[in-house]
Amino acid sequence: GENVEQHPSTLSVQEGDSAVIKCTYSDSASNYFPWYKQELGKGPQLIIDIRSNVGEKKDQRIAVTLNKTAKHFSLHITETQPEDSAVYFCAASSTSGNTPLVFGKGTRLSVIA
Amino acid sequence: DTGVSQNPRHKITKRGQNVTFRCDPISEHNRLYWYRQTLGQGPEFLTYFQNEAQLEKSRLLSDRFSAERPKGSFSTLEIQRTEQGDSAMYLCASSLAGGNYGYTFGSGTRLTVV
Repeated sequence: GENVEQHPSTLSVQEGDSAVIKCTYSDSASNYFPWYKQELGKGPQLIIDIRSNVGEKKDQRIAVTLNKTAKHFSLHITETQPEDSAVYFCAASSTSGNTPLVFGKGTRLSVIA
Repeated sequence: DTGVSQNPRHKITKRGQNVTFRCDPISEHNRLYWYRQTLGQGPEFLTYFQNEAQLEKSRLLSDRFSAERPKGSFSTLEIQRTEQGDSAMYLCASSLAGGNYGYTFGSGTRLTVV
């Protein structure tokens, strides 16, 4: 089955700097890669996703890149703000296999004002 | 629609007791998922339904766990004879079927077994 590795496990950045979180996956059949943000006491919230037919997607300060050959994808947050502090999870699944999402272990991002 | 609703938010139970959690998904979503999350870990898949049919169960789901979605709307997750290792956050999510639509998660039920 799918295995998703995520790093780093913790990340501290100064407000205004950029943050990058990286994930690798094992199943070449995976073709859907969402990112979730989880704040304390809440469930994960979808912030951006990418499908295997594109290499990059942007939404304001957030971007995701995908390298299918290398089986890795990354989340980029620019101009970080204190409210970006949270735990971020990457995930992967396969459309054709109707497989449920497999999540990474998470990255705790701290943005220092 | 207010999103995915889970009840209760917190549950403390003694070891050996049975507990039941409820999830109300977004009304137009035909898929419903249960995940378990322990401290410092990502959500781990337990089981999912498409309408009322339970399509997949993880090996994590021991015989003490059972889930139902009788009318294809809300779902319940029951844990029988709880153990301390069952202490975790139980997350429910829903989505539309096909095309890998993003999941919408509820806020979870935190179970503590003492």
